[in-house]
Amino acid sequence: SQQGEEDPQALSIQEGENATMNCSYKTSINNLQWYRQNSGRGLVHLILIRSNEREKHSGRLRVTLDTSKKSSSLLITASRAADTASYFCATWPGGTSGSRLTFGEGTQLTVNP
Amino acid sequence: SQTIHQWPATLVQPVGSPLSLECTVEGTSNPNLYWYRQAAGRGLQLLFYSVGIGQISSEVPQNLSASRPQDRQFILSSKKLLLSDSGFYLCAWSAWKGEKLFFGSGTQLSVL
Repeated sequence: SQQGEEDPQALSIQEGENATMNCSYKTSINNLQWYRQNSGRGLVHLILIRSNEREKHSGRLRVTLDTSKKSSSLLITASRAADTASYFCATWPGGTSGSRLTFGEGTQLTVNP
Repeated sequence: SQTIHQWPATLVQPVGSPLSLECTVEGTSNPNLYWYRQAAGRGLQLLFYSVGIGQISSEVPQNLSASRPQDRQFILSSKKLLLSDSGFYLCAWSAWKGEKLFFGSGTQLSVL
């Protein structure tokens, strides 16, 4: 079963606007990761945030993590047409359970020029 | 630097035919290796993962199998493909448990 659920499923914005995507998960985690996928291609890792971290930045990306609410958000500032892609959150379980990253269903972001 | 190679990029196979998809990693040793499948417009489903040569864990019962004959080689196989095996197959590796994954470019498999 999927651990993470992204919201919204699809998002359409204008170039220059900010895009916010949310991810909720069900069980305790070691870390949460965000990936990007261009149509028909493999996924590219964007950012990893550990369970003891609350916020991380990478360029125009800002990720927050609220373990009490079991949720995370990805903010892309000053979006560009090239940011058009699907974005996935993925969780690595806490404790010693498993050796696998579990992905959500993704948010399809469209940035209109 | 590390690279991951996955081939072929596209594959069209008849129902009942065998399958072999290969993935190799360069520039690292003893990687954790993964096979995922993605249905159109959906998230990724983990099929198999391996933490070492000959060590394969299966996540989903199906007619697929995986093997790791060498440290940096991961193979996905089937003896007889089903229509439901169609999808986008992705190989990935990580340096160790819990860290980020590096994905191959994927194989689009169509079973007709």
